[in-house]
Amino acid sequence: ETGVTQSPTHLIKTRGQQVTLRCSSQSGHNTVSWYQQALGQGPQFIFQYYREEENGRGNFPPRFSGLQFPNYSSELNVNALELDDSALYLCASSSGVQNQPQHFGDGTRLSIL
Amino acid sequence: AQKVTQAQTEISVVEKEDVTLDCVYETRDTTYYLFWYKQPPSGELVFLIRRNSFDEQNEISGRYSWNFQKSTSSFNFTITASQVVDSAVYFCALILGSYNQGGKLIFGQGTELSVKP
Repeated sequence: ETGVTQSPTHLIKTRGQQVTLRCSSQSGHNTVSWYQQALGQGPQFIFQYYREEENGRGNFPPRFSGLQFPNYSSELNVNALELDDSALYLCASSSGVQNQPQHFGDGTRLSIL
Repeated sequence: AQKVTQAQTEISVVEKEDVTLDCVYETRDTTYYLFWYKQPPSGELVFLIRRNSFDEQNEISGRYSWNFQKSTSSFNFTITASQVVDSAVYFCALILGSYNQGGKLIFGQGTELSVKP
């Protein structure tokens, strides 16, 4: 069984640029959630995709957007990058929408200069 | 509003000691689920346990045990005979059972556990 994989592992960008992060869900999982984890903090929910539709969103501005593809992989796009966007971005997949455990990837560490 | 509080920011123990990580949650929903995750330095969050709000039975898995008490809104995690490999950041998390919540895991701030040889 293949777990959740994220790419790239690390990324360095400058303010104002745009970035796309990618996530492949665990086989058999149709739900993908994205989280932002600042240094020393717990992960914060960005949004979730279920069968290619956004199914819940956290307190993040519209410049954070996403997609889910028919194979249930997903992308997180962030426009107009700001210094505060520097964080570990975690993707999690699950087989249902609510109570099933979400299984996480290793994350993408994004640094904004 | 929903909230998870892990009051212990850092804990340091010597190998073979027992250690308890505290978790207190707030929600007005009657249906919810509680989780513990482990985050080693590599960054991946590793799922440890899930509990639903209707099941207050304590659980033991090897050296790990969990104590869920609805009366005090707590879901504490105990590691018995700690080992160096247990060193990590541990997160307690809450998810509500209502469909419209969109599967949002609400995490605590985490407790960094350091087990010294």
